[in-house]
Amino acid sequence: AQKVTQAQTEISVVEKEDVTLDCVYETRDTTYYLFWYKQPPSGELVFLIRRNSFDEQNEISGRYSWNFQKSTSSFNFTITASQVVDSAVYFCALSEALGGGSQGNLIFGKGTKLSVKP
Amino acid sequence: GAVVSQHPSWVICKSGTSVKIECRSLDFQATTMFWYRQFPKQSLMLMATSNEGSKATYEQGVEKDKFLINHASLTLSTLTVTSAHPEDSSFYICSARAALGLAASYEQYFGPGTRLTVT
Repeated sequence: AQKVTQAQTEISVVEKEDVTLDCVYETRDTTYYLFWYKQPPSGELVFLIRRNSFDEQNEISGRYSWNFQKSTSSFNFTITASQVVDSAVYFCALSEALGGGSQGNLIFGKGTKLSVKP
Repeated sequence: GAVVSQHPSWVICKSGTSVKIECRSLDFQATTMFWYRQFPKQSLMLMATSNEGSKATYEQGVEKDKFLINHASLTLSTLTVTSAHPEDSSFYICSARAALGLAASYEQYFGPGTRLTVT
């Protein structure tokens, strides 16, 4: 069975601090995709990143970076020099490869609520 | 590109009435659309998967007679909550996946969501 665990329910930091959001996943597939989404209070999901299981290179996009480690089944997300606008709920998600009964739907973690205080 | 719209963005209805929510892919053809439900301060849970021209596949515990899904065209899927009750109040989000054959086909594009309140 597939599962995504975000153990941190809520995190509160002060502006300019770095913060890492943890994500651990479970899947039996060798081909899968991992995602991070941001959900601000408006509710609309904002896509941040997609990673396939064969690409373990870490990625950096501005203040955001992602650390994918298959050995520990983790896909952690770090925000450097956090800002108030980063306050939101962040979801990690897993999608298995299409076929074999899978429709490729997303399995979401429970989310981590990040509050960045000025 | 890859924009998905939902209509309405919010709706309040009385208990016992039915509500239809539309999900449209505006600039691509979506062979598969997904419907998720999110209760306050909770995660998104998949309700059903719909493929254009065929019956939707519902997740365990989701009543197919209560949540009617129609995916009649490659750009439109609808979710109808029949005989709505207060416990159906939730945030409903759809996502659309483009036609297969491209690496980007694994990408799901989410609509902005519909907040349903049943009084």
